[in-house]
Amino acid sequence: GAGVSQSPSNKVTEKGKDVELRCDPISGHTALYWYRQSLGQGLEFLIYFQGNSAPDKSGLPSDRFSAERTGGSVSTLTIQRTQQEDSAVYLCASSSEPSTGELFFGEGSRLTVL
Amino acid sequence: RKEVEQDPGPFNVPEGATVAFNCTYSNSASQSFFWYRQDCRKEPKLLMSVYSSGNEDGRFTAQLNRASQYISLLIRDSKLSDSATYLCVVNPRYNFNKFYFGSGTKLNVKP
Repeated sequence: GAGVSQSPSNKVTEKGKDVELRCDPISGHTALYWYRQSLGQGLEFLIYFQGNSAPDKSGLPSDRFSAERTGGSVSTLTIQRTQQEDSAVYLCASSSEPSTGELFFGEGSRLTVL
Repeated sequence: RKEVEQDPGPFNVPEGATVAFNCTYSNSASQSFFWYRQDCRKEPKLLMSVYSSGNEDGRFTAQLNRASQYISLLIRDSKLSDSATYLCVVNPRYNFNKFYFGSGTKLNVKP
């Protein structure tokens, strides 16, 4: 389809392992966002990309979290040495024109750290 | 203090009722405002923008009160399909690429 695609949709991992979450935005969308949503909570901003650069990484909770974007398209969010508090749904969104307020979200990657 | 605060609800209303949600924001420099809708275990989707003069989209009316720093969403003649969580979103003037999401207000419309 033409929407934002995220993988894996579900990931169960053991504490201490590294995980990679992938986001494939809508073609042509230069803005890309990562958010996370814990059960019953709102969306917590993690990082924003404009093209391949990340002008705003202020939401990354610790240095265990990193993200990159290549070719102005696919983005990968990496969490090293996962902790139980990292369990959440990680949502990716893209936009062609953020000033409109319209972010197109993927269905998310549900991460469970045991 | 959170950037955006919402009453989590749930609001349980019968079909056909009118229901209103409020949302407050902390940063007076906020520039733009939006309501998103999120169905259970689904991704959020833009419902409508909120304009300074207030705006309507069918059964939905959004209002902004800058002096009191709150926005509202009114749903008239509610339908079963309106059952969802409604997220208030604020965009600061200093960084129009950043969006702050509230934790959402859950609406249950009952037959």
